[in-house]
Amino acid sequence: EAGVVQSPRYKIIEKKQPVAFWCNPISGHNTLYWYRQNLGQGPELLIRYENEEAVDDSQLPKDRFSAERLKGVDSTLKIQPAELGDSAVYLCASSLLARSGETQYFGPGTRLLVL
Amino acid sequence: AQKVTQAQTEISVVEKEDVTLDCVYETRDTTYYLFWYKQPPSGELVFLIRRNSFDEQNEISGRYSWNFQKSTSSFNFTITASQVVDSAVYFCALRSGGFKTIFGAGTRLFVKA
Repeated sequence: EAGVVQSPRYKIIEKKQPVAFWCNPISGHNTLYWYRQNLGQGPELLIRYENEEAVDDSQLPKDRFSAERLKGVDSTLKIQPAELGDSAVYLCASSLLARSGETQYFGPGTRLLVL
Repeated sequence: AQKVTQAQTEISVVEKEDVTLDCVYETRDTTYYLFWYKQPPSGELVFLIRRNSFDEQNEISGRYSWNFQKSTSSFNFTITASQVVDSAVYFCALRSGGFKTIFGAGTRLFVKA
């Protein structure tokens, strides 16, 4: 069974440029998460989807970040415009059901460097 | 408030040594879940174990073992006879009061040959 797929793996952009990350969750997983992981820290949740609905986006900086999961499968996270402080690893995770104890499975992440 | 503390930032051991990674958590909920993940240099977080708050039984999986103690709010992870391939960052995580998962800052383990 394929795991969570993310692309690109690496991205270098100049500040004020837009950038987008793509995630394809494990087949059949209804819940999808986007996390940001700063250097030397654990992941922090940005947004959680149940099917195509964003049910928790309280940590998403909505002035510059947006996300979508139009068909309830793959998802895109966008930053526009990017700032120097956005340099981080952006991780996507998925879980089978929206239950509190459900295990999340992570993709390899996209390493973003903003110059 | 929920919090996960991994006080050990880095640990360095020689191959075949045993090593314990500490995790202390805080939550006011009676129902919660604890997780350990491994993050190798490739970047992907690999799921290792999940424990719910009602199951304090310790678990062993090969060279890995976990000691869950509610009395001290700890969920420690021990690797027996460490190997170079165990070198990674290990994260402890807590999920309570809903769906938000709180991760610790991680412990970087170096296993030298």
